[in-house]
Parts: sequence; structure tokens; C-alpha cells
Amino acid sequence: NAGVTQTPKFRVLKTGQSMTLLCAQDMNHEYMYWYRQDPGMGLRLIHYSVGEGTTAKGEVPDGYNVSRLKKQNFLLGLESAAPSQTSVYFCASSYDGTRRYEQYFGPGTRLTVT
Amino acid sequence: DAKTTQPTSMDCAEGRAANLPCNHSTISGNEYVYWYRQIHSQGPQYIIHGLKNNETNEMASLIITEDRKSSTLILPHATLRDTAVYYCIVRPSGSGNTGKLIFGQGTTLQVKP
Repeated sequence: NAGVTQTPKFRVLKTGQSMTLLCAQDMNHEYMYWYRQDPGMGLRLIHYSVGEGTTAKGEVPDGYNVSRLKKQNFLLGLESAAPSQTSVYFCASSYDGTRRYEQYFGPGTRLTVT
Repeated sequence: DAKTTQPTSMDCAEGRAANLPCNHSTISGNEYVYWYRQIHSQGPQYIIHGLKNNETNEMASLIITEDRKSSTLILPHATLRDTAVYYCIVRPSGSGNTGKLIFGQGTTLQVKP
């Protein structure tokens, strides 16, 4: 099993450009999450999904959109990138129920917005 | 949500046990304690969790005090690959929770040869 994979690993954007980050998991997990991590800080939840076709806002959702059209994929979109969105983005997935806090994380996408 | 307090950094000699403390004095009766770690430039990794009793798995042991106000994560034989930031997280109670994890600053464990 590949676990949780993220595409791309690195990206540099100019202010105002758009892009989509792809997260894929092969563990048949119900829950999927997008976090961001800024230097010296903990992870903050952007958006999450409790199942195919569902999405919900997390702690810092502004400037991002998400979609979960297939159970195994969770997409994070930046419509108009800003320098404040320079960060490392982590995707995670988990089973539902009481195991939803045992999350499996991807390797991260390092995004720089100039 | 219950707040956790961890030392900023710790050192441990390779091959020795690493004992990482965490204070969670405001924890409520049905809140679990979770531990994750993050090796440099990688995604966080789930280690272990517990409610009241001590827990052990292939990675570590978790000791929770009887009053549940603190806990200790034990890596029995630390290796250089265990060098990482370790996060102690109190899981929010309630069935309606999203699975959101609140990562604080954690403890940077440096395992030295």
C-alpha cells in the first residue's frame, strides 16, 4: 500500500495564480483532511471531509476550496494565491468513528507564493 | 479543549529509554491522550493513545497518572531515527467532533550517539 500520497511535492506560484493540490489514499478511509504548517508552528486544519461527496470548513478555510468526488481523493484548490499561503500542506486520512483521531499523513507539499 | 504543556526540548542517548512528559491538568474524564511525532520535513506519524490505563504498542508505551493530569511517552530503546518533534494532544470529547487534531509546539527530542 502506498498510504497517503500528495502531488506535487514542491511548487512555486506567483501572486494571483491558481493551483490544485491532490491527495490520494489507498486505505479505504472515510475521513480526509487538509492541514497547513507554517515555520515553527503546529498544524492547522483547513478543510476536511467525512465521506465521498462531503466537505466542511476547518480552522483556517479562507482562500481555499476543496472537493471529494471520489472516496480516495481529496483536492485542495487555491483560486488566487497570496504570499500568506506560503506554507507546507499536509493531507491526512483516517477511519471513521473512534479511530478518526488515528490519522495517516502524507509527505507534504511545499508551496511558495512570491 | 484541554491544554497540554510539554518541555521544549530533550536529549537522550542512543539505546537508552526516552521519557517524554506531558501535562494536561484540565483534561476531562472522557478525553483521550494522543501522541504523534514529526520527523524533520515529513508528515506527522501517529504513535499511541490512551484514556486511563497504560498502553503499549510496537512503537512506544504510554503511562497515564491515576489522576490523569499528566502522562509520559516512553520510547524503550531510542535510536537516531527517533529524533523528531513529539506532540501530546488531548482529543476533544463528543461524538460530533471532526477528528481535528490540535498540534501545539511539542517536544523536540534529540537522540545522540
